[in-house]
Amino acid sequence: GAVVSQHPSRVICKSGTSVKIECRSLDFQATTMFWYRQFPKQSLMLMATSNEGSKATYEQGVEKDKFLINHASLTLSTLTVTSAHPEDSSFYICSARGETRTSGGPLQETQYFGPGTRLLVL
Amino acid sequence: GQNIDQPTEMTATEGAIVQINCTYQTSGFNGLFWYQQHAGEAPTFLSYNVLDGLEEKGRFSSFLSRSKGYSYLLLKELQMKDSASYLCAVLDSNYQLIWGAGTKLIIKP
Repeated sequence: GAVVSQHPSRVICKSGTSVKIECRSLDFQATTMFWYRQFPKQSLMLMATSNEGSKATYEQGVEKDKFLINHASLTLSTLTVTSAHPEDSSFYICSARGETRTSGGPLQETQYFGPGTRLLVL
Repeated sequence: GQNIDQPTEMTATEGAIVQINCTYQTSGFNGLFWYQQHAGEAPTFLSYNVLDGLEEKGRFSSFLSRSKGYSYLLLKELQMKDSASYLCAVLDSNYQLIWGAGTKLIIKP
């Protein structure tokens, strides 16, 4: 079935360095990808929405120069946290939306979530 | 492999009660989340269970049985605004989220 993967699953880095997180849709083409941030036991906070081949749309309060998003293909989006600081430590989750087909059924637009990437900035 | 199962769609009547089940098979267990997602919006946190039993929070309750790999979300006094998708997600031994495909809940007047 349709799956979304993220790499790396966890990363520890020094303050000031940049970290790239990859999000891939497996078995389907993701026309839209979403990047979320989650704090413990809280709702997913939408950071940005990206459509393949176009610039990402950032939510209010999210710095686009700090959180660089690239959606270069229908199966890959990347989030780069530039000059990371300890307050950027969080759980980053991507989600991909596209048309998938269940066995014998029609194409349906569905959203799938990735397993998340734990970022710890020291 | 790791797997989360929940019904694809459920229909219920306004004012009634509905139970959405979630069964899981994961490598390790560090808690189970329920989220509500309205179309076009980000998932909203509803509950987190890590110990067996029932946790009640207003009209919503969540139950967990770790030995059975089973959870349910119980919604009482259903309102039209409860029409949404409900996502079950498990934190595995690596603290990775394993997501169910979501249950679309349709509330009828």
